[in-house]
Amino acid sequence: QKEVEQNSGPLSVPEGAIASLNCTYSDRGSQSFFWYRQYSGKSPELIMFIYSNGDKEDGRFTAQLNKASQYVSLLIRDSQPSDSATYLCAVNPVSAGNTGKLIFGQGTTLQVKP
Amino acid sequence: NAGVTQTPKFQVLKTGQSMTLQCAQDMNHNSMYWYRQDPGMGLRLIYYSASEGTTDKGEVPNGYNVSRLNKREFSLRLESAAPSQTSVYFCASSGPPGVGYGYTFGSGTRLTVV
Repeated sequence: QKEVEQNSGPLSVPEGAIASLNCTYSDRGSQSFFWYRQYSGKSPELIMFIYSNGDKEDGRFTAQLNKASQYVSLLIRDSQPSDSATYLCAVNPVSAGNTGKLIFGQGTTLQVKP
Repeated sequence: NAGVTQTPKFQVLKTGQSMTLQCAQDMNHNSMYWYRQDPGMGLRLIYYSASEGTTDKGEVPNGYNVSRLNKREFSLRLESAAPSQTSVYFCASSGPPGVGYGYTFGSGTRLTVV
């Protein structure tokens, strides 16, 4: 079992719809969870982080965390073609100790169609 | 506002050649990382340095060496390049472990070994 798993997609949604991206992780003691966006040929950029159970909203983005189910998700409301990218889920596992080491999922490719 | 600077951006090597990828950050971060990214594999950690003077192996360290030259610089060396090392390499840095620290990534090095 991979430490961080994502459906590679592609996930295709129409413009204006809600895109839902999902991620599961295996280390139950993981503390911090991150979502990065990566455009083709570019480096990843941080868009959201969450560490407490529940929802965290930032503009059109909402991160959801359920530690009991070991599940973290990212919702993108009013999806725009410019949201088309690969979204990487990352987790700071207990095994990282006091380092900032992150384990990444393989990423989900999102396509927003006009 | 340079952030994390990686050089070179592109490189073609012949099998058996050596090279060093350079990375420097100007954010006074303690921790630095080297990842490789291959299609369908996500980001995989090669080596990391939690602080100046320390380095540790990640998930895929074979064939690589690193040097944390000072707080700003963290280099990755391929002693004898192999075609399996064809990949995109990203350097990243982060602040102290804790809530919401995240990574800042460099722009990447696209390496082809022929």
